[in-house]
Amino acid sequence: NAGVTQTPKFQVLKTGQSMTLQCAQDMNHNSMYWYRQDPGMGLRLIYYSASEGTTDKGEVPNGYNVSRLNKREFSLRLESAAPSQTSVYFCASRRRGRKTQYFGPGTRLLVL
Amino acid sequence: AQTVTQSQPEMSVQEAETVTLSCTYDTSESNYYLFWYKQPPSRQMILVIRQEAYKQQNATENRFSVNFQKAAKSFSLKISDSQLGDTAMYFCAFRTSGSRLTFGEGTQLTVNP
Repeated sequence: NAGVTQTPKFQVLKTGQSMTLQCAQDMNHNSMYWYRQDPGMGLRLIYYSASEGTTDKGEVPNGYNVSRLNKREFSLRLESAAPSQTSVYFCASRRRGRKTQYFGPGTRLLVL
Repeated sequence: AQTVTQSQPEMSVQEAETVTLSCTYDTSESNYYLFWYKQPPSRQMILVIRQEAYKQQNATENRFSVNFQKAAKSFSLKISDSQLGDTAMYFCAFRTSGSRLTFGEGTQLTVNP
């Protein structure tokens, strides 16, 4: 049981490049989330998926798209990366009816 | 809108001593949940303890306990017998039944030998 896994661990992009951050969970959780963490700030929600086939915007969705590929996987895409998207990105999941979210190890993204 | 405030950006404590991290929140909801997450240098977010707002009894997990003051909207974390491995960033977080977690800015705790 690996919990929540994220790939890659670290990525450097040039402005304008695109990439997809991958997240998978093996806990049969219904809800999945993408957060970003910037220095001096708590985590901020980008997008979430309450269940397979649904996605909703969070607090800071601009510049991002998501796909809930199946129950296990929830990907985050940057179509045209900007330096303002330099951050650490966390994926999380939660079982329906439970209160706690479980987090992945994070992906550190640097946009030059 | 819900907000979570951690007024102590940094704290330090000697090994084996006790430290308390502060958190206040603002909400108009009556049913909600509060959490403390720990983020060590590895950057992974680890749940430390959680509290349901409808429960009057303060949550306890081994050396970690909370002081939940609902009327004051305060949710502090007490770490007893501090260990070097407790060195981390600690985040207070809040969630209503609407499913979204709102995080505070974090408190960097350093445990000194």
